[in-house]
Amino acid sequence: KQEVTQIPAALSVPEGENLVLNCSFTDSAIYNLQWFRQDPGKGLTSLLLIQSSQREQTSGRLNASLDKSSGRSTLYIAASQPGDSATYLCAVSYQTGANNLFFGTGTRLTVIP
Amino acid sequence: ETGVTQTPRHLVMGMTNKKSLKCEQHLGHNAMYWYKQSAKKPLELMFVYNFKEQTENNSVPSRFSPECPNSSHLFLHLHTLQPEDSALYLCASSQEVRVGNQPQHFGDGTRLSIL
Repeated sequence: KQEVTQIPAALSVPEGENLVLNCSFTDSAIYNLQWFRQDPGKGLTSLLLIQSSQREQTSGRLNASLDKSSGRSTLYIAASQPGDSATYLCAVSYQTGANNLFFGTGTRLTVIP
Repeated sequence: ETGVTQTPRHLVMGMTNKKSLKCEQHLGHNAMYWYKQSAKKPLELMFVYNFKEQTENNSVPSRFSPECPNSSHLFLHLHTLQPEDSALYLCASSQEVRVGNQPQHFGDGTRLSIL
């Protein structure tokens, strides 16, 4: 069974801190991994997409890494801001069923001013 | 500007009612998706359409009936729902059905409550 786990479920940090969110998946035969952001009452916004052949992707203050062999991905947020407060979700697609994204339950991040 | 618009944003209905959720995308995409997001559970893919053809039905009960009249519009018809169907229903679109090539763009969802 393909499972995606995100730990911790919630995280609070003071403004300005660097932080890391974790995502792990049970089946390493992935096609790609995506990180999304979800604000309360809103849909998902795609942040970064890492193909299975890549090791990391960067966008502004965000950096996502992928280690297929260990079944892990991290989302690094530099110099956190209150506006970064949201739930962060990772999702994995597999080569055997690329239509289907398998989501974690997310990490709810609060950045305290 | 979201690019994917869902209506209504909130819906309360009884178990015997019939209602429909609507999704419209303005991104020129060819694939559209319905997801269910329940509290404390991961998002679950329900249906996938590619060029108006259904390519995936993820073992969804028949009380949920999708319709895709064209590549820009997607509906989810609801009838005889159960309390456990209360959830946030999210619509998404992508350039093509193989999601690995392109990120999916999501609407803001319809919050559905079954009385």
